[in-house]
This record gives sequence, structure tokens and C-alpha cells, in this order.
Amino acid sequence: EAGVTQFPSHSVIEKGQTVTLRCDPISGHDNLYWYRRVMGKEIKFLLHFVKESKQDESGMPNNRFLAERTGGTYSTLKVQPAELEDSGVYFCASSQDLGLHTGELFFGEGSRLTVL
Amino acid sequence: KQEVTQIPAALSVPEGENLVLNCSFTDSAIYNLQWFRQDPGKGLTSLLLIQSSQREQTSGRLNASLDKSSGRSTLYIAASQPGDSATYLCAVILGNYQLIWGAGTKLIIKP
Repeated sequence: EAGVTQFPSHSVIEKGQTVTLRCDPISGHDNLYWYRRVMGKEIKFLLHFVKESKQDESGMPNNRFLAERTGGTYSTLKVQPAELEDSGVYFCASSQDLGLHTGELFFGEGSRLTVL
Repeated sequence: KQEVTQIPAALSVPEGENLVLNCSFTDSAIYNLQWFRQDPGKGLTSLLLIQSSQREQTSGRLNASLDKSSGRSTLYIAASQPGDSATYLCAVILGNYQLIWGAGTKLIIKP
């Protein structure tokens, strides 16, 4: 069974440009999450999808970030326009909804974003 | 506000030793706690998930414990091997599916 896959693995862009990160969760997982780790800091929650609906987007830093999950399958995270402080590693995770929040989270390998 | 602390930040031990990594959290109202490892340039690999009603979980040479009342979890690694070298992260899972992460412990096992 394929795990959580993310694309691209590394993206280098200039300040002001746009980047779109993609995450394909494990098949059948309704829950999809985005996290990021900026240099020297802890991993922070960005948002949570249940199927195609945004369940919690309290961690999104500002309106330059837009996440979508059309059809409840893969998700994209767009940063437009990118700023220097957006550099970091963006992780995606998915889990089954087993009730009582017992679902284990499975992470992708992350997409490293470098903004010059 | 939930805060997660991992001690030590870095640890270097000779191969074969048993070791304990510590994770503490400030608010006992958690659903689960999960331990991960991250290898350089790689993603996060789930090691053990402990549900709030459990006190420990075991997988191979790994054993994780959870004491909600004291806000502590430990990850015990038996008979350490060089392949265990990685950064180990603990995360508490809140009711809204948010994970609050520790900063990690960088573990180096010397051959």
C-alpha cells in the first residue's frame, strides 16, 4: 500500500513567486493535515481537512496560503506570493477516522521550500 | 496553552546501550501521544501511538510510556544500534486533531 506522497520534494523560488505543493494521502483516509517546520523552529499545524471540507484552518499563517482538497482526495497548498519567511519543510499527513481520535497519523516525506 | 518539551535536545551514546528519551507536556487533556523519528532529509516515521487510556506501547526494541497525570512520556530504546541515529519527536494530539510538537531529541549512536 502506498504511503502519503508529496510533490515536489524540493522547490526553490524567488520572493514574490507562486508555489503549489501537492499531497496524496493514503487511499481511504478521510483526514488530511498540513504542517510546516520553518528553520530552527518546531513543527506547526496549518490545517485539517475531513474529506473535502476544511475542519480546522487555525494554523494558516496568513492569506497568502491557500489549501484545497477538491473531491476529497489529494490536496494542494499554494503560497502566493511567497516570502522569505515561508522557507521550510511542509509536511502532509493523513489518518483514518476511527472515532474517538484514535487514528494514527502517517506523514509524507515533506516538501522543502526555499524562497530566495 | 499546551506546550511540549523534550529533554535532552541531543544525546550521544555508544552502540548497545539502553536509553530513555523524555517528553513532557503541560496540559493533561490530550487524546493521544505519538512518537516519531525523522532522518536527515526524510519525512516523519511514526514509531508508536499511545492512546490516552493506555499507559504504554511496545514495538520491537522500543517501548513508550504515558503518564497523563504527570504530563510525561518516555521512549525507551533497548540495545541501541547505529541505525537508531535520528531525531526523535513526540507530539500530543488534541481533541481538534491538532498536534503540538516537541522540538525533538537528536540521537547519535556511536559504533
